[in-house]
Amino acid sequence: EADIYQTPRYLVIGTGKKITLECSQTMGHDKMYWYQQDPGMELHLIHYSYGVNSTEKGDLSSESTVSRIRTEHFPLTLESARPSHTSQYLCASSESFGANYGYTFGSGTRLTVV
Amino acid sequence: QKEVEQDPGPLSVPEGAIVSLNCTYSNSAFQYFMWYRQYSRKGPELLMYTYSSGNKEDGRFTAQVDKSSKYISLFIRDSQPSDSATYLCASYSGNTPLVFGKGTRLSVIA
Repeated sequence: EADIYQTPRYLVIGTGKKITLECSQTMGHDKMYWYQQDPGMELHLIHYSYGVNSTEKGDLSSESTVSRIRTEHFPLTLESARPSHTSQYLCASSESFGANYGYTFGSGTRLTVV
Repeated sequence: QKEVEQDPGPLSVPEGAIVSLNCTYSNSAFQYFMWYRQYSRKGPELLMYTYSSGNKEDGRFTAQVDKSSKYISLFIRDSQPSDSATYLCASYSGNTPLVFGKGTRLSVIA
């Protein structure tokens, strides 16, 4: 049973379109993250948030934006999709306090830009 | 130099073998060390978590951290075909995002 949900699971979209990838978690975690992962490759941090109205840029943030208006919701927006954006996008969340700072990941959105 | 280095493999072993997966890290401030397992087309799932140096055992899995040599290890005993996945090490110091290694792809052959 997933506690962090990503939609859509798969998306094929044309170049130049604006898209929003959704991520919601039910665990009340303050911290949330977006990663990009090409098949068989490492995770690259795109954006992260440590709470409502707080967002920070990661390594690959220049072509996307995020918002954190509610604790449970952390959408990622690509203003103009390009074929180079074709990848898997993973959302994660973690606690702020306590002994375990491990991330809980969603199942990902596999994006194809044609 | 990447903060967490991990040999991507692939690594192929027969069923029942002991598997050793390793990472090195460069940031002396890192205190939290984790191993994630990722099956194909899924998100990573937390497998083991350790704080500072030492060993931690959970069933067939043992995580080991040696801060003096900045070395992180995961041992899998009696490996099973269901252990076939990509294993990612990760670490961080505190209030910063986790830094992940590239991941090692493991195949356990029946």
